[in-house]
This record gives sequence, structure tokens and C-alpha cells, in this order.
Amino acid sequence: GQNIDQPTEMTATEGAIVQINCTYQTSGFNGLFWYQQHAGEAPTFLSYNVLDGLEEKGRFSSFLSRSKGYSYLLLKELQMKDSASYLCAVRDGGNNRLAFGKGNQVVVIP
Amino acid sequence: DTEVTQTPKHLVMGMTNKKSLKCEQHMGHRAMYWYKQKAKKPPELMFVYSYEKLSINESVPSRFSPECPNSSLLNLHLHALQPEDSALYLCASSQDFGTYEQYFGPGTRLTVT
Repeated sequence: GQNIDQPTEMTATEGAIVQINCTYQTSGFNGLFWYQQHAGEAPTFLSYNVLDGLEEKGRFSSFLSRSKGYSYLLLKELQMKDSASYLCAVRDGGNNRLAFGKGNQVVVIP
Repeated sequence: DTEVTQTPKHLVMGMTNKKSLKCEQHMGHRAMYWYKQKAKKPPELMFVYSYEKLSINESVPSRFSPECPNSSLLNLHLHALQPEDSALYLCASSQDFGTYEQYFGPGTRLTVT
């Protein structure tokens, strides 16, 4: 089985940097995904990590440490449109199912 | 084209009705998924189709019946639903099951009265 933990909510100022953490426990690991979800809309794929280290994609970066069962998503130069829920999802290496964390609601204020 | 489309966008149905949700993708993806998402909760996997065959059924009640007519289409047939089945139903697809990221459709907001 899998257990994924994320903090529930954070507020940050436009232009700032925010880090969203995700810890997980899984019997098998085959990749970690970050998705952005605006209220009432579908999740949108942001990043994928399967090896340890940092993946950078524009204003968004994602880091993975498999030995610690830990990932973070870094959002730089925050914009109002970044107000959304950020979901961490872990793929189980045994059955390939994607299990989502509860999501972290980020509120960007002027 | 990286789009997954779903119809209808909203659906209200009574507990005795029969309705269907539809999902379509033209990315050549061979895996398609149905998820259910309640408010302020993460998506929960319901079904996975891989190469048009049902690979995973997460012990979903039989009042939900999936169908994959071809590699681009995925349906979810609904019958005798309960009010607690009201949720956002998301369809997703990926190049293969177990590899690559999943792309989600906009969802169908279902209300059972």
C-alpha cells in the first residue's frame, strides 16, 4: 500500500517562492508526479521524478530523494494564477497504480 | 494535440436513471482511466483500460460499468446511482499503463438526486 502526506494549505505573496513538500511510504516505487488543479478543473501535469535530484521546468522545479521518501515542488516568481491545489502522486512499482496525496492548497495574495 | 475531452460537463440524474459519461483522446495513448473525485479530496482510481482491455477494477460497485469501444474512446455507464455517488468524474489517458504521465480531461460534474 501507499501512504502520501502533504501539508494542507499555505499562503504566499505574488513574486515570492514557495516550497510544497510531499512525503511518501510505498512498498514499491516507480515515479513521483506533481499535478496542479484549479478549483473545479482537471489536474494538469507539472513534473515527473523517478531518479534522485532536481528537475527544472521554467518557474517550477521538483526534487526527489528516494531514500528519504521525500519530494518537493518549488514555485518561483509566484503569479496570481498559481493559486491552486498541488497534488503529489506516487506510482506503485508493483501494480503501477497512481496514488494521490490530499493536495496542498496554495493561495497567492497581491 | 494533448487533449482529453469529456462529455457532458455537468449531469444531474435521478436514482432510477441510466446515463453514460464519455471520454475521448486522439493522442494514440493505449491506457485510459476513470477517477472519482469528491470535493477537497484527491482523485480516486476506479478503472484502468490498457490496450482496450480492462486491467484494473478498484472494487467499484456494479452500478458503474466501464466500456472501451476502441482505443480512443472510454465510456462509463451509470445505473441506479446513489446520492453519495455525486462527484467529479475524471477521465485520463497515458501512453502506456505504468509508464509516462497521465493527462486528464476536464471532468463531468455528476449530481445524483
